[in-house]
Amino acid sequence: GQQVMQIPQYQHVQEGEDFTTYCNSSTTLSNIQWYKQRPGGHPVFLIQLVKSGEVKKQKRLTFQFGEAKKNSSLHITATQTTDVGTYFCAPRSGGYQKVTFGTGTKLQVIP
Amino acid sequence: ETGVTQSPTHLIKTRGQQVTLRCSSQSGHNTVSWYQQALGQGPQFIFQYYREEENGRGNFPPRFSGLQFPNYSSELNVNALELDDSALYLCASSLSGGNTGELFFGEGSRLTVL
Repeated sequence: GQQVMQIPQYQHVQEGEDFTTYCNSSTTLSNIQWYKQRPGGHPVFLIQLVKSGEVKKQKRLTFQFGEAKKNSSLHITATQTTDVGTYFCAPRSGGYQKVTFGTGTKLQVIP
Repeated sequence: ETGVTQSPTHLIKTRGQQVTLRCSSQSGHNTVSWYQQALGQGPQFIFQYYREEENGRGNFPPRFSGLQFPNYSSELNVNALELDDSALYLCASSLSGGNTGELFFGEGSRLTVL
């Protein structure tokens, strides 16, 4: 079955530093979503990528979908304490568009 | 928030018991997905309901079952509870055929099995 791994598992950064999490799949993905889960909270949708090589930006967040549609990344520029949380990539697949969550990257921002 | 409400928020059961968790989806959403999230892990897909039918299932045994009602609200039932069933159970509603397929999550029901 589809396996989606994220690296790193954990990341501690000083406030103001950049942060990147990578998502790698063993199979070609039709599309991929990204979610953020704050400590004690529920996942919140950030974005969906569909096209090969697609790049989307949301303020300090930049999302990329690989050319082969097997990997994706999320880059945060100049982290802030509000960025703390776990970031999940989540491919959608199957006829009923099941969303499967990756292993997640937990980000801690040190003020 | 998301407009998705779950109940109860917390509950404690003992091994072998049965539990029912409830979810009201966001207005206009016709699809409900259930996820299990163990501590420190990512959400694991249990199943999805669309128009009152289960139309997809993850790697969970049959003692995990569900229902979706005509108003698109949903229930998750777990029979013969095991210690490993202790987790946060998340309900997510979405609109089938929607542009982004965005999942809107509720706050979750935290189940502890003793």
